[in-house]
Amino acid sequence: DQQVKQNSPSLSVQEGRISILNCDYTNSMFDYFLWYKKYPAEGPTFLISISSIKDKNEDGRFTVFLNKSAKHLSLHIVPSQPGDSAVYFCAASAGQAGTALIFGKGTTLSVSS
Amino acid sequence: GAVVSQHPSRVICKSGTSVKIECRSLDFQATTMFWYRQFPKKSLMLMATSNEGSKATYEQGVEKDKFLINHASLTLSTLTVTSAHPEDSSFYICSARPQGASGGYTFGSGTRLTVV
Repeated sequence: DQQVKQNSPSLSVQEGRISILNCDYTNSMFDYFLWYKKYPAEGPTFLISISSIKDKNEDGRFTVFLNKSAKHLSLHIVPSQPGDSAVYFCAASAGQAGTALIFGKGTTLSVSS
Repeated sequence: GAVVSQHPSRVICKSGTSVKIECRSLDFQATTMFWYRQFPKKSLMLMATSNEGSKATYEQGVEKDKFLINHASLTLSTLTVTSAHPEDSSFYICSARPQGASGGYTFGSGTRLTVV
């Protein structure tokens, strides 16, 4: 049973527009959520995170929104750039630093110029 | 920032042989490290949690005797794929989270294992 779900395997956006990547989770114990960007044959690169005590976190072009009641989070990228094209993974953890991340299946974002 | 170094980045081995993958935290101590496996176009699946000085915790369905994990120091964890078979071919990634890090978990660059 997938605890972290990214239901859209792919997303295509034009340069300059907004990219919205969605993620749902089922485990109510999750209290820390992260987004990672990944290229083939490389490890994931951390983008942005949010703890369950917040509903929004912003870092430059990246904003993550958390809706705990819906068990849903989203990553907004504005404006999208061709260099943003990659696979984006949503991840979640429960508890302290000794707890592993659980990943969604990823969404491939393609930004066209 | 915190760096996790993973080695080798790519390895090809013959069926029946063993392969060791190293994961080092370069500028922080990691009492816990995590090992993931990624199949093509699939998510990163947690294999095991490596604990310094004690036995690793394996996820359901992961063979302990096949994927040996050793975490002998606060900066090094190793994953040994024993008696490798072609179905073990995959992308393996390690991760750790620095204490007090405001950011996320740090990942190694991954190891592409091909068993022929």
